[in-house]
Amino acid sequence: ETGVTQTPRHLVMGMTNKKSLKCEQHLGHNAMYWYKQSAKKPLELMFVYNFKEQTENNSVPSRFSPECPNSSHLFLHLHTLQPEDSALYLCASSQEGVHTGELFFGEGSRLTVL
Amino acid sequence: GQNIDQPTEMTATEGAIVQINCTYQTSGFNGLFWYQQHAGEAPTFLSYNVLDGLEEKGRFSSFLSRSKGYSYLLLKELQMKDSASYLCALMDSNYQLIWGAGTKLIIKP
Repeated sequence: ETGVTQTPRHLVMGMTNKKSLKCEQHLGHNAMYWYKQSAKKPLELMFVYNFKEQTENNSVPSRFSPECPNSSHLFLHLHTLQPEDSALYLCASSQEGVHTGELFFGEGSRLTVL
Repeated sequence: GQNIDQPTEMTATEGAIVQINCTYQTSGFNGLFWYQQHAGEAPTFLSYNVLDGLEEKGRFSSFLSRSKGYSYLLLKELQMKDSASYLCALMDSNYQLIWGAGTKLIIKP
């Protein structure tokens, strides 16, 4: 138990579906992150929120839309995805804002796009 | 540019010692991190080095040489539960984490 909970753990969707991934952290952290993890590739940072404000968008396609209603919750809205978007999506949080490398990760949402 | 290299896979024997290397190239440096990720689980923080030298934490130690762009994670008295992927990550001058692709460590009895 890392204090970061992601739902759903597994998701299968068609290319025309709309779905959302949810992340909740119970650690009182101020920064939250979305990462994409593909097999045998480095973690790819997608979005960063610090005190609910988006501070980083790493050239992510608009079919991925993040939402951070408060410091404890983070969503990733998915729309019109492509098969190459199939991956493990990891949420993370950190205590001291974005200038720390000590991240607390959730177990991820395994996404399969058909 | 920035680049991190680590071996894709390593195999070691239970009770032995294994060293996982990580080499990097960067124009700015704010620390080197190691994470452990068991299959199907969250990555978890293991260690942080910002100065040269060895940091020991129980059975795990991490070493850094900034001049050589080199770090290693040393695991002693290997246990079956140490079978996992080990991720090396560099924090650059903009406080961005640059990740390696990870080393899958297989422990055999």
